[in-house]
Amino acid sequence: DQQVKQNSPSLSVQEGRISILNCDYTNSMFDYFLWYKKYPAEGPTFLISISSIKDKNEDGRFTVFLNKSAKHLSLHIVPSQPGDSAVYFCAASGTGTASKLTFGTGTRLQVTL
Amino acid sequence: DTGVSQDPRHKITKRGQNVTFRCDPISEHNRLYWYRQTLGQGPEFLTYFQNEAQLEKSRLLSDRFSAERPKGSFSTLEIQRTEQGDSAMYLCAIRIVGDEKLFFGSGTQLSVL
Repeated sequence: DQQVKQNSPSLSVQEGRISILNCDYTNSMFDYFLWYKKYPAEGPTFLISISSIKDKNEDGRFTVFLNKSAKHLSLHIVPSQPGDSAVYFCAASGTGTASKLTFGTGTRLQVTL
Repeated sequence: DTGVSQDPRHKITKRGQNVTFRCDPISEHNRLYWYRQTLGQGPEFLTYFQNEAQLEKSRLLSDRFSAERPKGSFSTLEIQRTEQGDSAMYLCAIRIVGDEKLFFGSGTQLSVL
């Protein structure tokens, strides 16, 4: 039962353009959402998060949008840089989960020159 | 630096052997988590501790797996009679009180031959 889904395994974007990574969830109890970035042979690194009481959170080049009615969130990276090339994981937690995060399967972003 | 040190970074073992991994948070945090990540998947929850108490275990954690956090600081994860299906990256994470996000260590990459 995949409660957090990232349906695009990979994405290729040109440097300077916008990268949009998508995530869907099924559990209505989720109320906090996070994006992590992962390089090979390293642990995931926290990128940005959003609470369910908001619909947008911005941090520099990174913006996360949350659509609760659609159970959908997205991460926008503008402008994309070659150093952004990594695997991006969407994660969610909720009431009663003891902050245990449920992760999606990840999207590999490749930013090309 | 996430404040979480994992040792070893890599472990190669033969099927049937026992292995033990260690996680050292730089400072004491009351919640410590273990996750496992296999190729093409997101991190999957295994277990978590609040101080020295193990409060939840995933069904992924078979009876060959045991985790401890004896003094509420460092933690160990042992796998007995390893199988090839145990090959994965094992990730340790901590949660700071009042913060929803988890901070991950660099992981231990296990290869069972």
